[in-house]
Amino acid sequence: DTGVSQNPRHKITKRGQNVTFRCDPISEHNRLYWYRQTLGQGPEFLTYFQNEAQLEKSRLLSDRFSAERPKGSFSTLEIQRTEQGDSAMYLCASSLEQTGELFFGEGSRLTVL
Amino acid sequence: GESVGLHLPTLSVQEGDNSIINCAYSNSASDYFIWYKQESGKGPQFIIDIRSNMDKRQGQRVTVLLNKTVKHLSLQIAATQPGDSAVYFCAEISSNTGKLIFGQGTTLQVKP
Repeated sequence: DTGVSQNPRHKITKRGQNVTFRCDPISEHNRLYWYRQTLGQGPEFLTYFQNEAQLEKSRLLSDRFSAERPKGSFSTLEIQRTEQGDSAMYLCASSLEQTGELFFGEGSRLTVL
Repeated sequence: GESVGLHLPTLSVQEGDNSIINCAYSNSASDYFIWYKQESGKGPQFIIDIRSNMDKRQGQRVTVLLNKTVKHLSLQIAATQPGDSAVYFCAEISSNTGKLIFGQGTTLQVKP
């Protein structure tokens, strides 16, 4: 499978716990994006990386959220002290800078009880 | 902030008919547009794209039209099939920002 891979696909946690999602992009893609999607809404941009550099962070990304891409390959999105409002689908996408087309993974659904 | 939006939240069509999904964008600096299809529980799937130096692009059963004068984008699906039922999003990228911004989405329902 050469697509974008995300895990876990579904995470249920209690309020106040920390969660971490992982994204493995398409191997030759140098850009990696994180989006959040709630029911009935379009995906909202959170942050993106070019190689290992985090180029932009949305205001949606509070200080409880942190994303890394240490070696310019896979990325992790960690949410600390989760709140019920964090419940959403977290989508990862990757692209070749030159083409601009983003390929999305199937997402990681977070449910905070 | 600037955003990309769709005119209708839901579109219902008969199987075999053509579908037209519309989108209005506000960022005149956007130079690349993409239509995505999203089925329930899945990530967005690329359908077709168009760059701002074009006004029309055709794929297999799909056509995207871009009118930069009125900042309007449309997706035409020919001979709509039940498998086309999904939520469709238009999205834009400005080469200045490099990030993809999505609109609200249109739910396409295909009646057999």
